[in-house]
Amino acid sequence: DIQMTQSPSSLSASVGDRVTITCRASQSISSYLNWYQQKPGKAPKLLIYTASSLQGGVPSRFSGSGSGTDFTLTISNLQPEDFATYYCQQTYSSLITFGQGTRLDIK
Amino acid sequence: QVQLQESGPGLVKPSETLSLTCTVSGGSVSSGSYYWSWIRQPPGKGLEWIGYIYYSGSTNNNPSLKSRVTISVDTSKNQFSLKLNSVTAADTAVYYCARVQVGATYHFHSWGPGTLVTVSS
Repeated sequence: DIQMTQSPSSLSASVGDRVTITCRASQSISSYLNWYQQKPGKAPKLLIYTASSLQGGVPSRFSGSGSGTDFTLTISNLQPEDFATYYCQQTYSSLITFGQGTRLDIK
Repeated sequence: QVQLQESGPGLVKPSETLSLTCTVSGGSVSSGSYYWSWIRQPPGKGLEWIGYIYYSGSTNNNPSLKSRVTISVDTSKNQFSLKLNSVTAADTAVYYCARVQVGATYHFHSWGPGTLVTVSS
């Protein structure tokens, strides 16, 4: 299995801040990396696919980068609706795996 | 815009079979551009991919669930289904169905709202 490790597991930030979440794969996954946002009681929502492509309708303050084993999700100018849990996902392997999640709280 | 909706019993007894159906509207399960997938999330925990199916019936399942999982597709009803047998309390989770864009890479771009299944006697 390819293990996906996110850091930090949780973080607190303020509206207007810029935050970065990291996802590390246990082996190279090229750019087969997606990011999802999940709010309590809701299904995950695709934000970024193929490491850096912004899903349609997602605000441009969200961006992704990386390849190989190290990836980042950056949210610029945090908005109140951005406080949620974020998951990375690799689809390089036929066994698809998710990171454990990063909870983003209001400071 | 495609919509997905999970349905099935919310309570299943231990050792029995969990059965869920995902009804797709605004799109066709017969499209060759997508896989149709199941994902679950135990209460308060992270996401676990269960498996996916193509319209042709070919499947790919998570080996951690071994041979307990069966995913099928019914193109006449525009639905796909999940069966998980010999369930235990560890299978208690919110179960999501999703449409997976197929191409150079895969991504899960449309999800159902999820349905909570509790395994308890």
